[in-house]
Amino acid sequence: AQKVTQAQTEISVVEKEDVTLDCVYETRDTTYYLFWYKQPPSGELVFLIRRNSFDEQNEISGRYSWNFQKSTSSFNFTITASQVVDSAVYFCALSEARTGANNLFFGTGTRLTVIP
Amino acid sequence: SQTIHQWPATLVQPVGSPLSLECTVEGTSNPNLYWYRQAAGRGLQLLFYSVGIGQISSEVPQNLSASRPQDRQFILSSKKLLLSDSGFYLCAWMAGVDREQYFGPGTRLTVT
Repeated sequence: AQKVTQAQTEISVVEKEDVTLDCVYETRDTTYYLFWYKQPPSGELVFLIRRNSFDEQNEISGRYSWNFQKSTSSFNFTITASQVVDSAVYFCALSEARTGANNLFFGTGTRLTVIP
Repeated sequence: SQTIHQWPATLVQPVGSPLSLECTVEGTSNPNLYWYRQAAGRGLQLLFYSVGIGQISSEVPQNLSASRPQDRQFILSSKKLLLSDSGFYLCAWMAGVDREQYFGPGTRLTVT
């Protein structure tokens, strides 16, 4: 069965520090998709990135970077030079190709607090 | 561009009362639609999904139901609310092969 584990419940960092949010997943599918979403205090989930199981290239977008490693079943998210606006709950999610409706299975989230 | 709407934004209902939450999507056709619930301080739980008009799949047995009367409209209902139905309800849509889901602003439901 599919599973997404975000072991870090809460993280606090001082502004301008780098922070890495961990995500470990389990799946029996050989084709799957991984996602990160941001949930600011307003509540709406904001899509950040999707990664396909056949593409292990790391990705960088501004201060955000993602490290996908199939060998360890991990899809970690790093924020460089954190800012107060990064304070939010971050969710990692998994979608398996065999599920026709592309349902997302979410981790329990990591609450990031950036202290000014 | 695509837009997803949900209403109401907040709702306070007594136990045993009915519920109707509505979600509409603009700017896309034949999307997959989803209802999630997020209990306080917890992750998201998929409740229902729909791949087309009148097609509803339930992930979790409960006293909630969903309907899709139009291509871009998804409704979450209950005949009698329970205290445990309190939470943050999020609607999402997905189209094409990208597989990422886009979420609405959510409805915060408090059952008293």
